[in-house]
Amino acid sequence: DIVLTQSPATLSLSPGERATLSCRASQSLTTYLAWYQVKPGQAPRLLISDASNRAAGIPDRFSGSGSGTDFTLTISSLEPEDFAVYYCQERGYWPSLTFGQGTRLDMK
Amino acid sequence: QVQLVESGGGVVQPGRSLRLSCAVSGFTFSDYAMHWVRQAPGKGLEWVAVISDDGNKKYYADSVKGRFIISRDNSKNLVQLQMNTPRSDDTALYYCVREDDSSGGPLDHWGQGTLVIVSS
Repeated sequence: DIVLTQSPATLSLSPGERATLSCRASQSLTTYLAWYQVKPGQAPRLLISDASNRAAGIPDRFSGSGSGTDFTLTISSLEPEDFAVYYCQERGYWPSLTFGQGTRLDMK
Repeated sequence: QVQLVESGGGVVQPGRSLRLSCAVSGFTFSDYAMHWVRQAPGKGLEWVAVISDDGNKKYYADSVKGRFIISRDNSKNLVQLQMNTPRSDDTALYYCVREDDSSGGPLDHWGQGTLVIVSS
């Protein structure tokens, strides 16, 4: 089974700063890598699919990149509403689906 | 717009059964595979089960295989999760999730979740 390891576990930044979140796979993936944002009391939100495609309605400060085993979610300039927990997720052969353990983005 | 509304959560004793439901609207339900994903308190997201668009294919996480049953009724726009012999480690917020039919099948719409607490 594929294991996704996200780093760092917690990232403390200030509004306006750039956030870089990493997701590393235990074996090479297709580009079927997605990123989600989870806030308490809210439905999780799809941010990025296919490693780099922004989902509908997602601001362009969010971007995804990577291939093979290393993937990155970048938030170019943090807004107050961006502080949340972020998960990567891989999609192997259907229905295989695995989440990383999450990165908590805290406001400094 | 796309809406997924879960219900049926609550406190259940270990070994008793509980059925979660998810009512969907805003899209052609029979065109999409549907998932249940859960999040235990203080933990990350965990995939639980998936059912194909026509209901003929069902797959489960090893942690729930043989205990949980996913089903759907395309005439009622409803997907359900029957939780049999729940255990304390099944305590979690359970999300109903739509799988997008595009490349890679990301989980593009999530409900707000329904909380299940397994406790005596």
